[in-house]
Amino acid sequence: DAGVIQSPRHEVTEMGQEVTLRCKPISGHDYLFWYRQTMMRGLELLIYFNNNVPIDDSGMPEDRFSAKMPNASFSTLKIQPSEPRDSAVYFCASSEGQGYPGANVLTFGAGSRLTVL
Amino acid sequence: GEDVEQSLFLSVREGDSSVINCTYTDSSSTYLYWYKQEPGAGLQLLTYIFSNMDMKQDQRLTVLLNKKDKHLSLRIADTQTGDSAIYFCAESIAGTASKLTFGTGTRLQVTL
Repeated sequence: DAGVIQSPRHEVTEMGQEVTLRCKPISGHDYLFWYRQTMMRGLELLIYFNNNVPIDDSGMPEDRFSAKMPNASFSTLKIQPSEPRDSAVYFCASSEGQGYPGANVLTFGAGSRLTVL
Repeated sequence: GEDVEQSLFLSVREGDSSVINCTYTDSSSTYLYWYKQEPGAGLQLLTYIFSNMDMKQDQRLTVLLNKKDKHLSLRIADTQTGDSAIYFCAESIAGTASKLTFGTGTRLQVTL
């Protein structure tokens, strides 16, 4: 398996523009997570899905952020409109379901570095 | 509530042992993890320990868990320059599926 695949790796955009980040989880993983990493706030969980259904979105900063998972192999995180304070590295991660040893192990993608000017 | 704390920075000489510490607050933690993040990359799992264990050893890595004090440590023996990275501890809580709470990360610098 190629692991968790994220795109784009780098995005530079201007304030007010829409940003869409993409993620392909590992095949067979039932859970998908979106994290944001900044120097000031560290690693924050934004939202996670189980079997394509959003379970906890309490970490989503505000209404400008939305995430979808239309099928088991694809998820998007959208920011509209983007602001400079959204600049961060956004990570997608996936994991198997509960029930067997190591089930809580997250595999992370390489991240999408977003810069909003 | 969930809170995981780590010191921000650790510097060691090549060949010495490194000990990275972590404290957590939730006594219902089921698993505790150590992840490594190299520059420009995502987090990579190093090892994890079940909460009913005291110690786990994996080659140069030794994890110690003191459940009474809610203290977790990662010891890296014979530290190499390739070990320079940020190390995150994380906990998962019973009943919250795979949701992990991460610490702030400890930047390990290995000097010659």
